[in-house]
Amino acid sequence: DQQVKQNSPSLSVQEGRISILNCDYTNSMFDYFLWYKKYPAEGPTFLISISSIKDKNEDGRFTVFLNKSAKHLSLHIVPSQPGDSAVYFCAAIQGAQKLVFGQGTRLTINP
Amino acid sequence: NAGVTQTPKFRVLKTGQSMTLLCAQDMNHEYMYWYRQDPGMGLRLIHYSVGEGTTAKGEVPDGYNVSRLKKQNFLLGLESAAPSQTSVYFCASSLDRRSSGNTIYFGEGSWLTVV
Repeated sequence: DQQVKQNSPSLSVQEGRISILNCDYTNSMFDYFLWYKKYPAEGPTFLISISSIKDKNEDGRFTVFLNKSAKHLSLHIVPSQPGDSAVYFCAAIQGAQKLVFGQGTRLTINP
Repeated sequence: NAGVTQTPKFRVLKTGQSMTLLCAQDMNHEYMYWYRQDPGMGLRLIHYSVGEGTTAKGEVPDGYNVSRLKKQNFLLGLESAAPSQTSVYFCASSLDRRSSGNTIYFGEGSWLTVV
C-alpha cells in the first residue's frame, strides 16, 4: 500500500519557467511533509518542508503547498534552473521519525 | 552528505552469499535507518534504530538483519542474498524524535547486485 504517491515519473521544463511537482498521500495521520532532492550517485538531501498546520511554505525559489482536504502537496520551483535537474522525492512523517517516501519524479530542465 | 559514511559503495554477490553493509555517523545522532531504493518504488525503510542497542522493523525487513552495538554504527546484514535484494541501499541518521526532517542526513548509497 503506497501511502505517498508521486504519479508523474518524469517532468521536463524549460529553463526560466515554473516547475510543479505533485504528491498525494492517503494517511491522514501524517503531520509533516518534506521534499528531498537527489542527484545521481548521491544520497537524498533535504530541500523544503511543511507542517500540516500550514498550507504554504516558501524558501527562495522553492514553495511547497499543502491541501489537507485533498491530501495533496506540490512543490513549485520558479524560475527553474539547469541545476534543478534531479530526482525529487516527496516524503511524510508519521510517528517516531519514520519517513515514508513517494516513488520520485525525475525533473529535467531544458536550456 | 558529510557525516554519514557507507561501506562498501559497490558489491556484487552470488545468490546465497552473505554480506554486511556498514553505516557510520559522526554526528552523535540517536536515530539511524536503512532504506533501499528501487526503480518506481521510491525509498523504502528496511530497519531502523532509535538508539544504541535497539532495532526495529520498517516496511520491508524480510531477508535483512541489523545491529546497533555502538551508537555511531548501524550494520545491515544479508544472511543469504537473493536477486530480489539487488538495489541501492541508503543509510540515514537523525538527531531526535521530532526533528523537522531537515536534520535527517543520508549517506551516498551502496550499490548491491546479486547474481
